[in-house]
Amino acid sequence: GEDVEQSLFLSVREGDSSVINCTYTDSSSTYLYWYKQEPGAGLQLLTYIFSNMDMKQDQRLTVLLNKKDKHLSLRIADTQTGDSAIYFCAVNTGNQGGKLIFGQGTELSVKP
Amino acid sequence: KAGVTQTPRYLIKTRGQQVTLSCSPISGHRSVSWYQQTPGQGLQFLFEYFSETQRNKGNFPGRFSGRQFSNSRSEMNVSTLELGDSALYLCASSLALRGLNTEAFFGQGTRLTVV
Repeated sequence: GEDVEQSLFLSVREGDSSVINCTYTDSSSTYLYWYKQEPGAGLQLLTYIFSNMDMKQDQRLTVLLNKKDKHLSLRIADTQTGDSAIYFCAVNTGNQGGKLIFGQGTELSVKP
Repeated sequence: KAGVTQTPRYLIKTRGQQVTLSCSPISGHRSVSWYQQTPGQGLQFLFEYFSETQRNKGNFPGRFSGRQFSNSRSEMNVSTLELGDSALYLCASSLALRGLNTEAFFGQGTRLTVV
């Protein structure tokens, strides 16, 4: 079945850029998402990209998609301490309705 | 526009009991999905409802069930609770125009503790 992999931890300094990476196995994945989860909270949708796109930019967030390598990344520019959270990559294959397959999550720690 | 509302936020139940969780999607959204989040297994898909029909099901035992009402509100039920059912249960709402899901918005979750 579909598998989504992320590294577990990332630590950066405030003001630096953060890059969170994700790989997936199903080449038929149609929508790919990034969610943020803060302690004790639900998932906040940050951004998503359709599989026919290579890049999407939204303010401080840049998503890059390499379909050949099945690799998705999220770059956060000018990272702030408020960005400290767990970030999840998720994929949806159009023929499976609303089913999302999630990675394990990357815990981002931003040091002042 | 109100977000996805899940009730209750916290529950403590005893082994063997049953529990019902509720999810009210964003107004106009027709698809509701449920996920279980645990430290060991991460986020796992339970099932999805679209227009009152279960459209997709994850790999969970039959003790986990759900339904969707005509106003798109959804409930999930877990019977004969086990300690391992302790988790954060998350509901996601999607517009699903022409049945195709794009953005999925999550509620704050229900934290279930089984003792």
